[in-house]
Amino acid sequence: EAQVTQNPRYLITVTGKKLTVTCSQNMNHEYMSWYRQDPGLGLRQIYYSMNVEVTDKGDVPEGYKVSRKEKRNFPLILESPSPNQTSLYFCASSFGGDEKLFFGSGTQLSVL
Amino acid sequence: QKEVEQNSGPLSVPEGAIASLNCTYSDRGSQSFFWYRQYSGKSPELIMFIYSNGDKEDGRFTAQLNKASQYVSLLIRDSQPSDSATYLCAIQGGKLIFGQGTELSVKP
Repeated sequence: EAQVTQNPRYLITVTGKKLTVTCSQNMNHEYMSWYRQDPGLGLRQIYYSMNVEVTDKGDVPEGYKVSRKEKRNFPLILESPSPNQTSLYFCASSFGGDEKLFFGSGTQLSVL
Repeated sequence: QKEVEQNSGPLSVPEGAIASLNCTYSDRGSQSFFWYRQYSGKSPELIMFIYSNGDKEDGRFTAQLNKASQYVSLLIRDSQPSDSATYLCAIQGGKLIFGQGTELSVKP
């Protein structure tokens, strides 16, 4: 089954404790992206990747890191999480950056 | 002015009515226009896309694009309670930008 797999689904952590949210897709998509979704603000792009070893900042990259060492994986790293990073996070992928996006099931992150 | 703007709602319509969802955008160079549906607690899923001025129909859904006026709309005919969700428009210009979404509630 074609899918984007995100883990974990829920995560509660404390300020400053490094964490990684994993994202993997099995559709051989070139493009992958991370979004955060906050009430009233919609989906905002954090980082995106057009291909392996190619990543670029989105609209809200501060406090986040990503890497794209393999085509299928695009982990999101929070080196020192803060409470303002409490949000619902989605990973998404597509064949090209301007085509239909396939979303993962989301990660609800709470930073205390 | 926001780059992509939607009324947040909630928009409430009775079952069987037409629901009309609107989205305006600021980038005149935008080329691709998408509507995603997001059920509560779920991820967005694409339901319609449109590239050219005019209407595009798919079942009960019709997307309408007017580039001169910089708006795109989604009509849902014969609305069903299962259509109750948040509808996100997404506009592709130099980058893909999402609106904040419109919550639709279809009352039986």
